[in-house]
Amino acid sequence: GAVVSQHPSRVICKSGTSVKIECRSLDFQATTMFWYRQFPKQSLMLMATSNEGSKATYEQGVEKDKFLINHASLTLSTLTVTSAHPEDSSFYICSASSRTDTQYFGPGTRLTVL
Amino acid sequence: SQKIEQNSEALNIQEGKTATLTCNYTNYSPAYLQWYRQDPGRGPVFLLLIRENEKEKRKERLKVTFDTTLKQSLFHITASQPADSATYLCAPGGRGGGADGLTFGKGTHLIIQP
Repeated sequence: GAVVSQHPSRVICKSGTSVKIECRSLDFQATTMFWYRQFPKQSLMLMATSNEGSKATYEQGVEKDKFLINHASLTLSTLTVTSAHPEDSSFYICSASSRTDTQYFGPGTRLTVL
Repeated sequence: SQKIEQNSEALNIQEGKTATLTCNYTNYSPAYLQWYRQDPGRGPVFLLLIRENEKEKRKERLKVTFDTTLKQSLFHITASQPADSATYLCAPGGRGGGADGLTFGKGTHLIIQP
């Protein structure tokens, strides 16, 4: 149990375009979903927290207008990177939690912006 | 600000021996601490959660201790196998009410040599 999927697993896009990443909890309802970013040889950094039906809470230094988060249902959250630039290239990972303290992570999405 | 330190960037252990990984934290009093395993290019996989009122927790070949006085958690893998080679991340959490976004240590890269 506690499986989280992400789609796509890998995406390459041109600078200036927008990219949407989906995160789904497959076998449980996620009251809270989180989005993290991981640069090479670095640890995961929390970007934002989203509760179903509410606006996301962004960490300091994360631009909410650039990283749009929608948590439309208890099993789906999306992250849209708007007007992507090469410095946005990173490994984006979501996690989901259902009224417990444990977070279950997705497999990650590798974004490369050319 | 919170600081999480994990011992060394890489730890080489002979197969069959016990691997011990350390996680120290400062400027924080977590209600629990989680350990995750991360393989290259993949999202973290949840291993164990230990709460502040628990001294020790076990799961198969894994054992975690939590010393809130020393502000330290130890993670042990007994009878280690080459398949245990991965990066192990610790993440103290709690106190925020509800599910909290996690702050991770940089991780310890464990290498089990045959």
